[in-house]
Amino acid sequence: GDSVTQMEGPVTLSEEAFLTINCTYTATGYPSLFWYVQYPGEGLQLLLKATKADDKGSNKGFEATYRKETTSFHLEKGSVQVSDSAVYFCALITSGTYKYIFGTGTRLKVLA
Amino acid sequence: SQTIHQWPATLVQPVGSPLSLECTVEGTSNPNLYWYRQAAGRGLQLLFYSVGIGQISSEVPQNLSASRPQDRQFILSSKKLLLSDSGFYLCAWILAGGPHTDTQYFGPGTRLTVL
Repeated sequence: GDSVTQMEGPVTLSEEAFLTINCTYTATGYPSLFWYVQYPGEGLQLLLKATKADDKGSNKGFEATYRKETTSFHLEKGSVQVSDSAVYFCALITSGTYKYIFGTGTRLKVLA
Repeated sequence: SQTIHQWPATLVQPVGSPLSLECTVEGTSNPNLYWYRQAAGRGLQLLFYSVGIGQISSEVPQNLSASRPQDRQFILSSKKLLLSDSGFYLCAWILAGGPHTDTQYFGPGTRLTVL
């Protein structure tokens, strides 16, 4: 079945450091890909998405490119802030299904 | 604009007691609705989803059940809670017309502690 694999956390960075959180997927069809962010004690919020190969999603300085050849959707940010500390989830949904597949989440901690 | 509500926000219940969590969506019609559970420090586990009134699909066999009595209302229930039911319960919805590209919107969650 479809699946999403994320790098294990926690990831601890200093403020203004470069961030990469790896995400790879397995899907039988042509999925749409998403990154969600969860701040402490809250629900998930959409961070960015891409719906077809080579699309780049971007929001709040975060970027991710849909790479069909490597089945990846890595999240990047050039300069993280303390306020970026949260849990990040990679997810997919395949056309014709009603179910999202989420990765296990990666906790990011940014130190001042 | 669309909003999603969950209540209660927090709940502490004894083992063996019943449970009822409610989720309502405003500002949209015929959404797909979802219940997830997030155990402490863990990822999301899909429990139930619904594509219409009275239509419930169960992902994980357990002592929980779900119902959708109205188009924009989704209820999670249990007759007898277990310790392992503790967690953060999230309700979510998407527009029914295009599940391939539509974003899933999440509620604020209910934190359940079973003692």
